[in-house]
Amino acid sequence: EDQVTQSPEALRLQEGESSSLNCSYTVSGLRGLFWYRQDPGKGPEFLFTLYSAGEEKEKERLKATLTKKESFLHITAPKPEDSATYLCAVRGHTGRRALTFGSGTRLQVQP
Amino acid sequence: GAVVSQHPSRVICKSGTSVKIECRSLDFQATTMFWYRQFPKQSLMLMATSNEGSKATYEQGVEKDKFLINHASLTLSTLTVTSAHPEDSSFYICSASGRERDQPQHFGDGTRLSIL
Repeated sequence: EDQVTQSPEALRLQEGESSSLNCSYTVSGLRGLFWYRQDPGKGPEFLFTLYSAGEEKEKERLKATLTKKESFLHITAPKPEDSATYLCAVRGHTGRRALTFGSGTRLQVQP
Repeated sequence: GAVVSQHPSRVICKSGTSVKIECRSLDFQATTMFWYRQFPKQSLMLMATSNEGSKATYEQGVEKDKFLINHASLTLSTLTVTSAHPEDSSFYICSASGRERDQPQHFGDGTRLSIL
């Protein structure tokens, strides 16, 4: 059974204070690791897909990296508008197209 | 990017009412659609997966007669919560994925269902 664990559960940063969110996973053959951002009362917004260890993707202040056991979402010099819940999900080689989600990291960036 | 529209965004109704939620992919063909349920401060729980023209596949513990899913076209899936009760109150979110196997899922903005 695929499993995803995210840490920390919540993170409070000052504007400009860089940090990283962690996503540890176990999966029977990784077919993709996905990062989403979710604002309160909204559906998740797609950020990145990573497929193999060593891969990195960047978008504005966000950078996602992947190893064989975990992924990190690095946030550089965050702004208050980066406040959201960040969700990590995996898809394995089981044939199912469904994703297994972690419980998310609630990020709050204070001005 | 890919756009998924979900309607309505909020429903408040009496116990015993059936509620239909629509999920549309606006700019791509969604061969597979997913329905999730999310409780406050928790992650998304997959309820069912539906492929266009086929019966939905429900996750263990999800009552198929309670949560009716129809995926009649490549752009529309519906979830009907039949005879809803207060314990069915939740945030329901759909997502859609295109033909390529490893495409990301794109999500609608969810429906807040409140049963009185």
